[in-house]
Order: sequence, then structure tokens, then C-alpha cells
Amino acid sequence: DAKTTQPPSMDCAEGRAANLPCNHSTISGNEYVYWYRQIHSQGPQYIIHGLKNNETNEMASLIITEDRKSSTLILPHATLRDTAVYYCIVNAGNMLTFGGGTRLMVKP
Amino acid sequence: NAGVMQNPRHLVRRRGQEARLRCSPMKGHSHVYWYRQLPEEGLKFMVYLQKENIIDESGMPKERFSAEFPKEGPSILRIQQVVRGDSAAYFCASSPRGRFRDTGELFFGEGSRLTVL
Repeated sequence: DAKTTQPPSMDCAEGRAANLPCNHSTISGNEYVYWYRQIHSQGPQYIIHGLKNNETNEMASLIITEDRKSSTLILPHATLRDTAVYYCIVNAGNMLTFGGGTRLMVKP
Repeated sequence: NAGVMQNPRHLVRRRGQEARLRCSPMKGHSHVYWYRQLPEEGLKFMVYLQKENIIDESGMPKERFSAEFPKEGPSILRIQQVVRGDSAAYFCASSPRGRFRDTGELFFGEGSRLTVL
């Protein structure tokens, strides 16, 4: 699996967009970018994934650079319930390896 | 459609006892993954199973740990002769197929928290 690099922590004001970056400079052609989050001690929750095109769903948007070496997860209107650890994972789709993630704190 | 069910949610064992953690995948899912999360750490892959087969156990400790996913019934993660270092949250995830790139999703349970006294 390609290695990913994420900032250990970020803050975001409630109602504002949260932009979480991820570097994956060694990504290979068949590897997808997955984002999961873990709220407190709950089980991880899938957010979104993509290969090379930008993706959007009801939870978030995923922006992948043209060279695919980095990506950004965007939560358009962060709420207090979005406070969690966010994991960026690069994988060919047969197993997920979780790194340290970014601890996002949404503040009122 | 029930999600991934794990039980027990909390388990307390004394050193040297055995711990059995059960995972019932989502309906129609035949692939199960076990992860361990030590306190204040990230999730670590342990083992990946398909019905009656262990596909990848590269994350399993060499001793005392075993996993199975029988044709009928839940997947079981078994820890023999538990030690304090086994205290952790154990998460199970399932997918309908081994390569989940089409949907991107592994569905996780809420975890089983093992405390070893």
C-alpha cells in the first residue's frame, strides 16, 4: 500500500468547511484513495473514495490532484458531530491499512 | 438490514483466561476482517477471512491468537491465555466481496472491548 501523510490534528469552526489534506506521493495506478472516520471509540465509518476523478456524496467531497499525489477531503459545513479522527487510506481495494489519521476538532 | 454485529461489547478476563469475540457480518457478506486498536493508538489489521478460509493473517500475533469464519455462524476471534497487553478494542468489518473497490466500503461493527485484569 502507498504510504499516506496527514496532519495529526486540525481545528475547524462549526458551520465552516473543513478541508483535510492527505499526501500519497507513491500511489500507484490501480490504487484508490479512501477516507474513513472514527468518532470517539466507535467503529470506523466509510466516508468516500475515488480513483482519479473528484467525487461527492451526501457526506463529503473528495478532490484528487491531477498527478494523484495528494487529495483533500472537504466537509462543506462542519458540525460538532463531525469531530473525529479522519483516516486517508490508499489501497488497491483488498484491504485497508489505517495510519495515524487527522484528529479534527470542530469548535462552536 | 442489520449492520455488523459484535459481541460481547465488553469483556473482562483475568490473565491466563481465554477470550472469544464474535462477529456476525452484514447479511450477504462473506468477507470478514478483524482489527485491533490499542488505547490511544490507530487500528491495526489482524486477519482477513472468507467463509471457511483464512485469506491473510499477516497481522495476527504468532501465538495465542486464532480466527475462524465457519460456513455457518459468526466469525470468532479467539485469544488464549490473555495477558494485560491484549487489552484493546477489537473491531470486525465485513464486505460482500474481497475486492471492495466498486463500493469502497468496509462496514465496521461497534467493537468488542477486552479488559484483562
